[in-house]
Amino acid sequence: DGGITQSPKYLFRKEGQNVTLSCEQNLNHDAMYWYRQDPGQGLRLIYYSQIVNDFQKGDIAEGYSVSREKKESFPLTVTSAQKNPTAFYLCASSTPGHRNTIYFGEGSWLTVV
Amino acid sequence: RKEVEQDPGPFNVPEGATVAFNCTYSNSASQSFFWYRQDCRKEPKLLMSVYSSGNEDGRFTAQLNRASQYISLLIRDSKLSDSATYLCVVRSSASKIIFGSGTRLSIRP
Repeated sequence: DGGITQSPKYLFRKEGQNVTLSCEQNLNHDAMYWYRQDPGQGLRLIYYSQIVNDFQKGDIAEGYSVSREKKESFPLTVTSAQKNPTAFYLCASSTPGHRNTIYFGEGSWLTVV
Repeated sequence: RKEVEQDPGPFNVPEGATVAFNCTYSNSASQSFFWYRQDCRKEPKLLMSVYSSGNEDGRFTAQLNRASQYISLLIRDSKLSDSATYLCVVRSSASKIIFGSGTRLSIRP
């Protein structure tokens, strides 16, 4: 079955540590995205990538980094520079084109302890 | 000003009621529009696309007004299972996709 797989689903991090969230898709989509969602809030765009080896900052990129070495993979690193990283992180993908919708993974819950 | 704005609600309506949500967007060059549904602690899922001519899917009707830069979602004969957060989504370019903050809907028996 085609889809987007995020891992881990739940992650606890100590302050000062970097963590990497995995996102893999087998939908053959060119574009991939990372969003952050805080409790009771909407989704905010962290980074997006339209093509392999290329990515752009979203609205809240500070304290995060990404790579896009393969079409199917778009990992997100939450660095120690991110001051308030506890949130729900959603990875998504889409084919380019105005009519094409965006599909989400099940999300990763990150808690800083 | 946010690129996409929604009334956060919550809307609390009785089962069987009709409820409508609006969403405004700031980029007049935006190309396409969608409504997503998000259940508590889950990922958003596509409810329906929004076309210029308006479109209907069962109890759900979506409308787009480009001149006023808003989209709407109408839910008729609401069910308990319609309780969720409804997200307005706008493609402002081929790859940039912006979500509204969502409108919470609660249907009571």
